[in-house]
Amino acid sequence: NAGVMQNPRHLVRRRGQEARLRCSPMKGHSHVYWYRQLPEEGLKFMVYLQKENIIDESGMPKERFSAEFPKEGPSILRIQQVVRGDSAAYFCASSPPVATSYNEQFFGPGTRLTVL
Amino acid sequence: QKEVEQDPGPLSVPEGAIVSLNCTYSNSAFQYFMWYRQYSRKGPELLMYTYSSGNKEDGRFTAQVDKSSKYISLFIRDSQPSDSATYLCAMSTGNQFYFGTGTSLTVIP
Repeated sequence: NAGVMQNPRHLVRRRGQEARLRCSPMKGHSHVYWYRQLPEEGLKFMVYLQKENIIDESGMPKERFSAEFPKEGPSILRIQQVVRGDSAAYFCASSPPVATSYNEQFFGPGTRLTVL
Repeated sequence: QKEVEQDPGPLSVPEGAIVSLNCTYSNSAFQYFMWYRQYSRKGPELLMYTYSSGNKEDGRFTAQVDKSSKYISLFIRDSQPSDSATYLCAMSTGNQFYFGTGTSLTVIP
């Protein structure tokens, strides 16, 4: 059973370009979370999605950032018009559709975005 | 004030030492407390999970939660060079997790 997959592992963009980060959850998982990790700041929650629904986007910047988790295919985190401050490691986590108040989150290896 | 505070270290110990890692938090609504281990250039992996106050032991690892003091700890006994990593505490009321900044640990052979 493959774990959470993220691609690309490394992404280089110039200022003003768009970055698209992909996340395929573990098999059977229908919940996806995106986090950003900056040096010295730890992991920061960005958005929580279920299939075709955004459940909680309280950690997403109001502009330039969007996320989706379509019925088919991976979850996508999209950053438009990237700036140098967007350089970070972006991690995706997934959890199963368990009806409890705690869902263990399994993390992918991350995408390291560098904005030149 | 940050939701979760964690000393970033770095922490360097000799092989076989007992390691103590700690976090404090401010939100009394947190009920779920986790410790993750993250190797360089990898994603975090769950080490221990505790619900509410108390102790939990798993092999060489012991997690403690003191909700009255809003303080959690991870103890590593008989530390090994393979334990060298960054350790992240995380807390949750449910689905949204709040992470500490991580403590970098090096175990010297």
